Amino acid sequence: NAGVMQNPRHLVRRRGQEARLRCSPMKGHSHVYWYRQLPEEGLKFMVYLQKENIIDESGMPKERFSAEFPKEGPSILRIQQVVRGDSAAYFCASSPSDGVSGNTIYFGEGSWLTVV
Amino acid sequence: DAKTTQPNSMESNEEEPVHLPCNHSTISGTDYIHWYRQLPSQGPEYVIHGLTSNVNNRMASLAIAEDRKSSTLILHRATLRDAAVYYCILRDGGATNKLIFGTGTLLAVQP
Repeated sequence: NAGVMQNPRHLVRRRGQEARLRCSPMKGHSHVYWYRQLPEEGLKFMVYLQKENIIDESGMPKERFSAEFPKEGPSILRIQQVVRGDSAAYFCASSPSDGVSGNTIYFGEGSWLTVV
Repeated sequence: DAKTTQPNSMESNEEEPVHLPCNHSTISGTDYIHWYRQLPSQGPEYVIHGLTSNVNNRMASLAIAEDRKSSTLILHRATLRDAAVYYCILRDGGATNKLIFGTGTLLAVQP
């Protein structure tokens, strides 16, 4: 867990504002995943990215949510015009490569978003 | 994605071994079996993974049935800090490579 860095750890936003969550993968990892965990619910996959590419966004809500992983810098999960239902813990994970099921995916400590 | 079935909850006593079962009858030949755990208010933590042979590491052991349709995570001496939700996950061997979490097993450890 220690290697995947997420910030902010806690974020409070008013309805209608934007939330930006950042994730720096472990050193040497080029693949990033975002997951969301609503209160009292399980972890839901949102998106899988490689540098400058979105590989799988099948879990992303169709509107207001976007993700990027630029060539330089952290991955960003952006939520526009937040609503109370967006309040959740957002976890980022990283892995060193794709296509090999044995590679381990490591998670960060999460970013807790509260929409008031 | 292949699915796994785990008991919703289990209880153990401190310093006793714990065997957490997982059924995955539809596993494919290239699916790895991964175990993660999540402590309250923390991110998922990798525990162990394997393909066909039993595996051991400093945290736990993974026993995989010969037909690979089930596996068991073994905590040799449970501590209070092992109280968590334990997830058994089949890793997608395709290009997406993502982990799909089920509901897991909530392990309670009694002192």
